[in-house]
Amino acid sequence: DTEVTQTPKHLVMGMTNKKSLKCEQHMGHRAMYWYKQKAKKPPELMFVYSYEKLSINESVPSRFSPECPNSSLLNLHLHALQPEDSALYLCASSQDQFGTGVTSYEQYFGPGTRLTVT
Amino acid sequence: TQLLEQSPQFLSIQEGENLTVYCNSSSVFSSLQWYRQEPGEGPVLLVTVVTGGEVKKLKRLTFQFGDARKDSSLHITAAQPGDTGLYLCAGADAGTEKDNRKLIWGLGTSLAVNP
Repeated sequence: DTEVTQTPKHLVMGMTNKKSLKCEQHMGHRAMYWYKQKAKKPPELMFVYSYEKLSINESVPSRFSPECPNSSLLNLHLHALQPEDSALYLCASSQDQFGTGVTSYEQYFGPGTRLTVT
Repeated sequence: TQLLEQSPQFLSIQEGENLTVYCNSSSVFSSLQWYRQEPGEGPVLLVTVVTGGEVKKLKRLTFQFGDARKDSSLHITAAQPGDTGLYLCAGADAGTEKDNRKLIWGLGTSLAVNP
């Protein structure tokens, strides 16, 4: 099973709202990722969690707050977003981040959450 | 800064034609992955190439990793409308510090196969 699930599928929120995106995987992967993607562009890395600890923050604004409650779950808390934050938010997982095995860089993506900020 | 140059950016072809997409870099990658993405969905991993000179086939898709592990190509034979999508290459750099390892992404090739 190489499934990563994300909820919700679509989200519309105002600039003063607080919302959360959720991601779950049951592949036993120990690295999880948040990406932001604009139309017809490659995914842009936002955060990486490795063994439930934040290992990479790509200078993401503080209005995005990640959380990894356990090895299977990843959340992204949103607060006071701007219209330019509208995008497809993708969650991914991999065996681990450090490449101890050749397959460990293979990232498996969820279907994404289409976020619109009004 | 590492870059993966992917070409062409856009490609519109007729059903039955062949095509090749290229990913090139001046850096060496420990492995390189190809993904296909349909609108509104997440990227789906197609293949990982690891060894210089490696060739992998997935039905009508042929993937090649350059001998020096700096470039890769994806060739599609007899394209079908179902091949339409965004094709992305992503390289894993083993040369950086462990804590900073991440995939380096190409800009993508948007392929449209017309019936």
